[in-house]
Amino acid sequence: KQEVTQIPAALSVPEGENLVLNCSFTDSAIYNLQWFRQDPGKGLTSLLLIQSSQREQTSGRLNASLDKSSGRSTLYIAASQPGDSATYLCAVSPNAGNNRKLIWGLGTSLAVNP
Amino acid sequence: NAGVMQNPRHLVRRRGQEARLRCSPMKGHSHVYWYRQLPEEGLKFMVYLQKENIIDESGMPKERFSAEFPKEGPSILRIQQVVRGDSAAYFCASSLRDFTSGANVLTFGAGSRLTVL
Repeated sequence: KQEVTQIPAALSVPEGENLVLNCSFTDSAIYNLQWFRQDPGKGLTSLLLIQSSQREQTSGRLNASLDKSSGRSTLYIAASQPGDSATYLCAVSPNAGNNRKLIWGLGTSLAVNP
Repeated sequence: NAGVMQNPRHLVRRRGQEARLRCSPMKGHSHVYWYRQLPEEGLKFMVYLQKENIIDESGMPKERFSAEFPKEGPSILRIQQVVRGDSAAYFCASSLRDFTSGANVLTFGAGSRLTVL
């Protein structure tokens, strides 16, 4: 059974710091992995999607890496800003059966302090 | 493009009442997915629908829950005889094509938060 774990559960950093959020999954047979951002009252926003054949994806100050064999992904945020404060969720699509059943971690709650 | 619209944003029901949650997908999207986020738990897949068809409802409780996506109008998630354990945030997402087709991205709504008293 696929399980997704995110560490740390919460993180508070001063503005400008580079930071890393971690996601681990127990079954390496994944179709893809996504990082989402959840803002209170604003739903979920897809940040980066990494296909199982890829090693990383970049968008602006965000970089996500994927090491399928070790069951790990990291989300790197460069030069953090207060506007980055949100909950960051990692979700995997299983490779077998229904790929639409995203399996989610509990998220990392990030606070970037000015 | 208004994105995925969910309503109501907040719904309060007493035990035994019915809850109806609506989701209007993004314009042009014909694939809709419902997820539930229970307090202190991660999101869980509930059901996947295309227009007029339920494709996969394996994540939905067998009793009291139903979903539809009619030819005209929004997708509706219906919960009959609600209990306190149904209190959660219910998120709807839509995609242009089957989400498994390449890197097709899901677009999520803001969620509907159900509170059962």
